[in-house]
Amino acid sequence: DTGVSQNPRHKITKRGQNVTFRCDPISEHNRLYWYRQTLGQGPEFLTYFQNEAQLEKSRLLSDRFSAERPKGSFSTLEIQRTEQGDSAMYLCASSLGGLWGNPEAFFGQGTRLTVV
Amino acid sequence: DAKTTQPNSMESNEEEPVHLPCNHSTISGTDYIHWYRQLPSQGPEYVIHGLTSNVNNRMASLAIAEDRKSSTLILHRATLRDAAVYYCSLGKGGATNKLIFGTGTLLAVQP
Repeated sequence: DTGVSQNPRHKITKRGQNVTFRCDPISEHNRLYWYRQTLGQGPEFLTYFQNEAQLEKSRLLSDRFSAERPKGSFSTLEIQRTEQGDSAMYLCASSLGGLWGNPEAFFGQGTRLTVV
Repeated sequence: DAKTTQPNSMESNEEEPVHLPCNHSTISGTDYIHWYRQLPSQGPEYVIHGLTSNVNNRMASLAIAEDRKSSTLILHRATLRDAAVYYCSLGKGGATNKLIFGTGTLLAVQP
């Protein structure tokens, strides 16, 4: 499978615990995005990487959230001291971006986080 | 950020055309119009996108109003597999090309 891969698919954690999600993008894609989706809503942008550089973060991304993309390959999203409001589907997407155009994004199947 | 507005739900019969509308009246000049669809427990799947001109691909057609404040996704012959939530989203111009999604239209296809 050469698509975007996310692990784990499901995560249940107790409030206050830390969790980390992993995203493996399509190998040649230089752009990587994290989105969050709650029930009945469209995905909301969280952060964006171009290669290894994190170039934009949404104000939705509180200090408890951190994302990395070492070496411009896979990415991790960590949530510290989880709260019940963090329960959502976390989606990763990648695309091949150049100077022009607005390429389509390829999404993974997401990680569903439940904070109890 | 500019937002999109879509009907909450629509219904179609199998093998008939479907026109899914979207309003994006605050779109900026560098924003692209993207459509994605999502099945339960899956990530969104790309359908089509465009900037100013109408676009066709193997999945659908995209009709963009001349003033770009609205667009319509056209499925030429709906199948049962087309039942999904369809999101009209704006691809921001500039460096990030991040997507701004609306709340989507749930399309039901009746046999």
